[in-house]
Amino acid sequence: DGGITQSPKYLFRKEGQNVTLSCEQNLNHDAMYWYRQDPGQGLRLIYYSQIVNDFQKGDIAEGYSVSREKKESFPLTVTSAQKNPTAFYLCASKDRPLPNEKLFFGSGTQLSVL
Amino acid sequence: RKEVEQDPGPFNVPEGATVAFNCTYSNSASQSFFWYRQDCRKEPKLLMSVYSSGNEDGRFTAQLNRASQYISLLIRDSKLSDSATYLCVVLNDYKLSFGAGTTVTVRA
Repeated sequence: DGGITQSPKYLFRKEGQNVTLSCEQNLNHDAMYWYRQDPGQGLRLIYYSQIVNDFQKGDIAEGYSVSREKKESFPLTVTSAQKNPTAFYLCASKDRPLPNEKLFFGSGTQLSVL
Repeated sequence: RKEVEQDPGPFNVPEGATVAFNCTYSNSASQSFFWYRQDCRKEPKLLMSVYSSGNEDGRFTAQLNRASQYISLLIRDSKLSDSATYLCVVLNDYKLSFGAGTTVTVRA
């Protein structure tokens, strides 16, 4: 079955630690996205990539980094500079980076600080 | 003012009831509108797009009111399985803006 796989489902971070969230898709989609969801707030865009080896900052990129070395993979690193990392992180992809293309989501990673 | 605002609810309704709720948006030039459904701590899934003329998909009806800048979702004959959070999503300048969601709980 085609889809988006996020791992791990739950992740804990210690103070000062960098952690990486995995996102893999086998849909052959060009565009991939990372969103953060906090209670009582809508999803906020962290980073996005429209093509391999290229990515752009979203609305809340500070404290995060990404890479897009392969079409199917778009890992997100939460660095120690992100002071409030506890949130539900969602990876998504689109066949083409066009506005009305359907967005497919992974099942999410809940990140918590120890 | 937030780009997209929703009444968080919860809307508690009995099975078989009709429930409706709105979502307001701030940008009058918004291009497209969507309703997503999200179950607790799971990924959002597209429920339906919202067209200018209004559209229906089974028990779900979506309406767009550009003059007052809101979209609505109506669920008829509610089922227990309709319990979820419904996210309003608006396309502005090629960027998607998400509402915080309206929670609906259908009780037996």
